[in-house]
Amino acid sequence: DAGITQSPRYKITETGRQVTLMCHQTWSHSYMFWYRQDLGHGLRLIYYSAAADITDKGEVPDGYVVSRSKTENFPLTLESATRSQTSVYFCASRAGTPNTEAFFGQGTRLTVV
Amino acid sequence: RKEVEQDPGPFNVPEGATVAFNCTYSNSASQSFFWYRQDCRKEPKLLMSVYSSGNEDGRFTAQLNRASQYISLLIRDSKLSDSATYLCVVNPRLPGNNRKLIWGLGTSLAVNP
Repeated sequence: DAGITQSPRYKITETGRQVTLMCHQTWSHSYMFWYRQDLGHGLRLIYYSAAADITDKGEVPDGYVVSRSKTENFPLTLESATRSQTSVYFCASRAGTPNTEAFFGQGTRLTVV
Repeated sequence: RKEVEQDPGPFNVPEGATVAFNCTYSNSASQSFFWYRQDCRKEPKLLMSVYSSGNEDGRFTAQLNRASQYISLLIRDSKLSDSATYLCVVNPRLPGNNRKLIWGLGTSLAVNP
């Protein structure tokens, strides 16, 4: 299917476990982003990537790791999950040309217990 | 000053009302502007881009005021289905070919019967 998909949609994990959230897009967009959204904070950028093998930190990168070996995939890993990482995570992609919109995946609702 | 600021609301309006939201941004060299809509913590979706000359899409009108550094969204003849959070989004001009977007916290709209 064309578009941007995230998996899993829902995840419950225990404190200290490693968790990987997957993001896949079919448009060959250069840019990909990971956001978390919590009440009162809006969308906060965790990491972004301008192309394969190029990633950079956003506002709240601590505790997260990303990789981008292929243009279409941008997984986000929580190395050792903490309760403060309970959130809704959105992946987005955007073309490299100016004035283009970002497209979002449906989100992953992560609960750390 | 935050990079993008919006009145969080909530705006409670009756069906058929006209409602307007403003959003201010701090980077005077910002390149592109968007309004997104988000329903109940689902993924944000593009409502409309905002062009320098202003633009209209059905009941929705967006305007840009570069001198005062704000964008606006006007919704005419409000429908119950317009109830959502409206996110103001700005692509600031940053060093390099940067496609990061800066998101406002959103304005909540509730349209009442």
